[in-house]
Amino acid sequence: AQKITQTQPGMFVQEKEAVTLDCTYDTSDQSYGLFWYKQPSSGEMIFLIYQGSYDEQNATEGRYSLNFQKARKSANLVISASQLGDSAMYFCAMREGGSGNTPLVFGKGTRLSVIA
Amino acid sequence: DAGVIQSPRHEVTEMGQEVTLRCKPISGHDYLFWYRQTMMRGLELLIYFNNNVPIDDSGMPEDRFSAKMPNASFSTLKIQPSEPRDSAVYFCASRGGPRNSPLHFGNGTRLTVT
Repeated sequence: AQKITQTQPGMFVQEKEAVTLDCTYDTSDQSYGLFWYKQPSSGEMIFLIYQGSYDEQNATEGRYSLNFQKARKSANLVISASQLGDSAMYFCAMREGGSGNTPLVFGKGTRLSVIA
Repeated sequence: DAGVIQSPRHEVTEMGQEVTLRCKPISGHDYLFWYRQTMMRGLELLIYFNNNVPIDDSGMPEDRFSAKMPNASFSTLKIQPSEPRDSAVYFCASRGGPRNSPLHFGNGTRLTVT
């Protein structure tokens, strides 16, 4: 079974609008972490935001926020006020276990295109 | 901080040749990961090290793949002999600090095997 599922292969959003990228995960661990990365066309992987399973507040980092719904095992990324530079692949990832000793498992990604 | 440094950025080689990819992690980071990215399979973990010791190499596709970390500042991923299906982008990433710390990725090596 896939650990991380991103059901949207591609998304379009108008500049200055908000967009939500979906991510669901599968784990039996109580302690885990969820991460989002951005990969622009240049290829580098850029860390955006982190949410811990015990964090009670949704994580926010500037225009990025994470809509964490633990019971539904979803960790959707919300980008507010989209910019042309947000056009990229976005990957959701999970680290299982409380020790932090396990690697990240990535979803297949969502390609976001921001339209002027 | 120079970040994770990978070399070469691009490698084109013929089938059957040996390929060596190199990685210098961020100083002080105690975890190092090798991932492979393809269109079909996405980002796959190949192997990871903790304090220079390989922890899990179950993602290494075949015996043709090997990885070493002789010291805290250097790791190699070797493919011998290479095959066209090995063509992919290979990422090295490192991590240090508390358990919520992210992976820091290098810029990747784009490998093409003809």
